[in-house]
Amino acid sequence: NAGVTQTPKFQVLKTGQSMTLQCAQDMNHEYMSWYRQDPGMGLRLIHYSVGAGITDQGEVPNGYNVSRSTTEDFPLRLLSAAPSQTSVYFCASTRAKDTEAFFGQGTRLTVV
Amino acid sequence: GENVEQHPSTLSVQEGDSAVIKCTYSDSASNYFPWYKQELGKRPQLIIDIRSNVGEKKDQRIAVTLNKTAKHFSLHITETQPEDSAVYFCLRGYGNKLVFGAGTILRVKS
Repeated sequence: NAGVTQTPKFQVLKTGQSMTLQCAQDMNHEYMSWYRQDPGMGLRLIHYSVGAGITDQGEVPNGYNVSRSTTEDFPLRLLSAAPSQTSVYFCASTRAKDTEAFFGQGTRLTVV
Repeated sequence: GENVEQHPSTLSVQEGDSAVIKCTYSDSASNYFPWYKQELGKRPQLIIDIRSNVGEKKDQRIAVTLNKTAKHFSLHITETQPEDSAVYFCLRGYGNKLVFGAGTILRVKS
């Protein structure tokens, strides 16, 4: 099993550009989440999903969209990138509620 | 509300000393209390967890204790080593949301 795979690892965007961060898991986990981690700070929840076709907002959803068309994939879309979205983004999955969360390796995004 | 307070934000200890990190949470239906470790430039990884039917769990040099009455749980690291230097996070589930504490930077000085 590859676990949770995120692509790309690094990305530089210009202000106003859009892009999609990819996240895929091969563990048949129902729950998937996206977090952002700013320098020296904790992980803040952007969006999450409890299964295919079901998504909901986290703590900091503005400027981001998600969809969950399959159990395996949970892409995060930046609609119009802003410098405030410069961060490291982590995708995570869990088999069910109250179980271990597995993280992808992270995507370091810089918006200039 | 969904609140997880983690203290301290930074902690420096001498190699061989103990370290304790505490998380205080607001009401939650979750009976699961995990701790994650994040080394510099790496992804967070689970190091220990506990469920509410027990008050303490140990795994070699690390342990987690739970006080449900006071609504806090703590991570204990004994005989600290340089490789314990990292950021540590607690995690709470609120419904289907997973909310992390703000993190504790642990520095072990040799």
